[in-house]
Amino acid sequence: GIQVEQSPPDLILQEGANSTLRCNFSDSVNNLQWFHQNPWGQLINLFYIPSGTKQNGRLSATTVATERYSLLYISSSQTTDSGVYFCAVEGSGGSNYKLTFGKGTLLTVNP
Amino acid sequence: DSGVTQTPKHLITATGQRVTLRCSPRSGDLSVYWYQQSLDQGLQFLIQYYNGEERAKGNILERFSAQQFPDLHSELNLSSLELGDSALYFCASSLLAGSTYNEQFFGPGTRLTVL
Repeated sequence: GIQVEQSPPDLILQEGANSTLRCNFSDSVNNLQWFHQNPWGQLINLFYIPSGTKQNGRLSATTVATERYSLLYISSSQTTDSGVYFCAVEGSGGSNYKLTFGKGTLLTVNP
Repeated sequence: DSGVTQTPKHLITATGQRVTLRCSPRSGDLSVYWYQQSLDQGLQFLIQYYNGEERAKGNILERFSAQQFPDLHSELNLSSLELGDSALYFCASSLLAGSTYNEQFFGPGTRLTVL
């Protein structure tokens, strides 16, 4: 099946700093989503981005499907950005529409 | 709020028992997915239903079963529970299956603790 690798596994920032999280995937995809899992365990949709670039406030994401990677940018980080960021993909082969998740990046933003 | 609801939020039970987790998808969504998040396995896909029919199976144990009802809500049944079944169980929904647009929205999860 499709493999998803996220880096870095852990990231510690001071409030106000910027960061880039990376997601590499092993095959072509129909769907790529970024999620934030907050300390209460909720998975919050950040972006649906199988290709191209999107922005939402301080967050933006870019997926280069031909090179099989996606980047999530967080600017001017805040303590509320802390949590785990997951990249998840749906491979383009077959009829299985499941999401395959990476192991996540644990982000800690200190005041 | 994603619009996907799950009950209960927390469940504590004993080994050998059986539990049922419930999920209501977002209004208009026809697909329901179940995922399990455990410390050792991460987030894993269990099973998908589309408009009442099973569409795909992932790493779902034989002790687990699911169904989607005519009103599109879904239930995940876990039986003969073991300590290793303790995990966060998520339900997700999407509009369609087989579409190029298939964004999945996740519910708040049910945290299962098996003692």
